[in-house]
Amino acid sequence: DGGITQSPKYLFRKEGQNVTLSCEQNLNHDAMYWYRQDPGQGLRLIYYSQIVNDFQKGDIAEGYSVSREKKESFPLTVTSAQKNPTAFYLCASTPRERGVYNEQFFGPGTRLTVL
Amino acid sequence: AQKITQTQPGMFVQEKEAVTLDCTYDTSDPSYGLFWYKQPSSGEMIFLIYQGSYDQQNATEGRYSLNFQKARKSANLVISASQLGDSAMYFCAMREVGTGNQFYFGTGTSLTVIP
Repeated sequence: DGGITQSPKYLFRKEGQNVTLSCEQNLNHDAMYWYRQDPGQGLRLIYYSQIVNDFQKGDIAEGYSVSREKKESFPLTVTSAQKNPTAFYLCASTPRERGVYNEQFFGPGTRLTVL
Repeated sequence: AQKITQTQPGMFVQEKEAVTLDCTYDTSDPSYGLFWYKQPSSGEMIFLIYQGSYDQQNATEGRYSLNFQKARKSANLVISASQLGDSAMYFCAMREVGTGNQFYFGTGTSLTVIP
C-alpha cells in the first residue's frame, strides 16, 4: 500500500531538547511539506521541498529545521529555539504530474508535547 | 491579505439534511486549484473534492459538490444527506500556478451533525 508514514504518533519531550519527527512516503512524490496545527486552528506551513537537497521556508520556519537527502524522506527537527513547540504536526506530499491540479496527500500526524 | 477565508467557525446540521460550508479565496493568478479536506477528530486529513480554475462545471464526488462561483471567488462545499460520520473539521485550500507547490489553507469550519 502506498502512503505517507509519520512516526511516532505521540511524542513527549522535555523543554530544551531537540526532537526529530519522521516522515516517509512511498508514493514517488516530488514535493513534500510540513505543517503545524494548533488546537482549533488551521494548518500553517513550516517548510516544503520540491526536489531532493532543496527546501524552502514556509510561514513559521523559525525554530525548525529540515533535510531532504532522499526523495522518500523529509524529517523535521524541532529545536530548542522553537518557543512553543507543543502542537500537531502533519507531513504531506504531492506528485509532479498535473502540476497545480494535484491534491496533497497527508500522513496521520504526530502529536508533540513538550513538558 | 488572507488567501483563503472560511467565515463559519462552527456549523450544525440535522442528519439527512444538506449543508453548505463557505469558502472565499483571493488570487490574481488565472490558473489555480481549489480543494476541500475533512479532518475527523483522529487528525488525519482526508481529501474530498477538487475544482480547477478553468473547469466549466462544478465538481461533484458522491455526496460532496463544490459550488464554484469564479467571479465572486467563492468555492463553497455542499454536503447532501448529512450523516453522523460527517461531523469533523473541514478545510478549504488553494494552490496557484504562480506560487508553484505551495498550498494555502483556511482556518476551517467545525461541522456537527445532529441526530
